[in-house]
Amino acid sequence: SSELTQDPAVSVALGQTVVITCRGDSLRDYYACWYQQRPGQAPLLVFHGENNRPSGIPDRFSGANSGDTATLTITGAQAEDEAVYHCNSRDNGPNLVVFGAGTRLTVL
Amino acid sequence: EVQLVQSGAEVKKPGESLKISCKGSGYSFNTNWIGWVRQMPGKGLEWMGIIYPGDSDTRYSPSFLGQVTISADKSIKTAYLQWSSLKASDTATYYCARQEALTGHLDYWGQGTLVTVSS
Repeated sequence: SSELTQDPAVSVALGQTVVITCRGDSLRDYYACWYQQRPGQAPLLVFHGENNRPSGIPDRFSGANSGDTATLTITGAQAEDEAVYHCNSRDNGPNLVVFGAGTRLTVL
Repeated sequence: EVQLVQSGAEVKKPGESLKISCKGSGYSFNTNWIGWVRQMPGKGLEWMGIIYPGDSDTRYSPSFLGQVTISADKSIKTAYLQWSSLKASDTATYYCARQEALTGHLDYWGQGTLVTVSS
């Protein structure tokens, strides 16, 4: 079955820009979705589709998709952005939905 | 306001049965898919399956088919996840979320239900 691959951890200096990457075959057919998960909290959808940011999500979060790769960019990272970021997408295999393993973002 | 409220934490012994719930409000529960997602301690998210409460159409991830049962009662706007015989490896937090079937995105999540299975 398809899988999505994410870097385990990335770090960014406060106020700088960070790009979080998600790769997988399913992304050739479907857009990625991105979720922020702070410790002890449920995931929160922060970006999905070609260019969709849910209401209430700061515009410093943006996404892009190309081939088998999707990226989530945080422009001007804030301390409160420190979290684990998960990607997922639809899939054509028996797993209708696949997730990446998550990327832990540290804001320095 | 869209809300999904899950039942509280559970502590069970191996071999016991369990049914946890997810009650929706603030939107058309019967015409939106509900997905279930597992998160084992310190691990990532795993998609388990989805249900369409309007007609109880259910799809399972192959990893969870036969291991759990997903159901819904549309009259009380509640989805369920149940086990007939728990194992220690079922220890995890389980989330329900409203899922858009075509794109796979889960836009509203419950608060999670921690299930601990220990002898």
